[in-house]
Amino acid sequence: ETGVTQSPTHLIKTRGQQVTLRCSSQSGHNTVSWYQQALGQGPQFIFQYYREEENGRGNFPPRFSGLQFPNYSSELNVNALELDDSALYLCASSSVGTQYFGPGTRLTVL
Amino acid sequence: GENVEQHPSTLSVQEGDSAVIKCTYSDSASNYFPWYKQELGKGPQLIIDIRSNVGEKKDQRIAVTLNKTAKHFSLHITETQPEDSAVYFCAASRGESNDYKLSFGAGTTVTVRA
Repeated sequence: ETGVTQSPTHLIKTRGQQVTLRCSSQSGHNTVSWYQQALGQGPQFIFQYYREEENGRGNFPPRFSGLQFPNYSSELNVNALELDDSALYLCASSSVGTQYFGPGTRLTVL
Repeated sequence: GENVEQHPSTLSVQEGDSAVIKCTYSDSASNYFPWYKQELGKGPQLIIDIRSNVGEKKDQRIAVTLNKTAKHFSLHITETQPEDSAVYFCAASRGESNDYKLSFGAGTTVTVRA
């Protein structure tokens, strides 16, 4: 167990809706990264937060946004959901580089 | 951006034999290379990592080698056991400042036959 928790475990939404996913980082970790993992593929980097500021973003549209709170927990928000957004969303917390992943949130968009 | 290629995509080995997974990367500035194991329904679990100032690292039955000149690194699992069956991912990162964005390979599904 890494100490990184994510909620909810599973989520079903319809196209056009909005979703918020949550992540609690491991104690002592000030950096949270979010990844999208489509079925049968490796995780793709969405963005990273360091001390409440966005610190790098991958090739994802602006409808993917995030927040990091003073306790270093984080949220991923996705607006105007599309069918292709169906995936496992992973967060990883780190302190000095090494990233530890949570169990993920499985999002299904119908 | 960084491009990480991983081979093979599937690997079946007899229990007790060795398994080798190879990855190449494109960004010569990458200097941190972790390996993750992902079991069904779970998040990736870090099993070993290596930094560019080291050529090889071992942890019990697992070893990783890095060739910076050729831009490739490999995972070696010896004396495989049924519990080693999982999907394995290699990744690469520049490790600059606080930016440790990981670029992942596509994964290798390892099956250990009893």
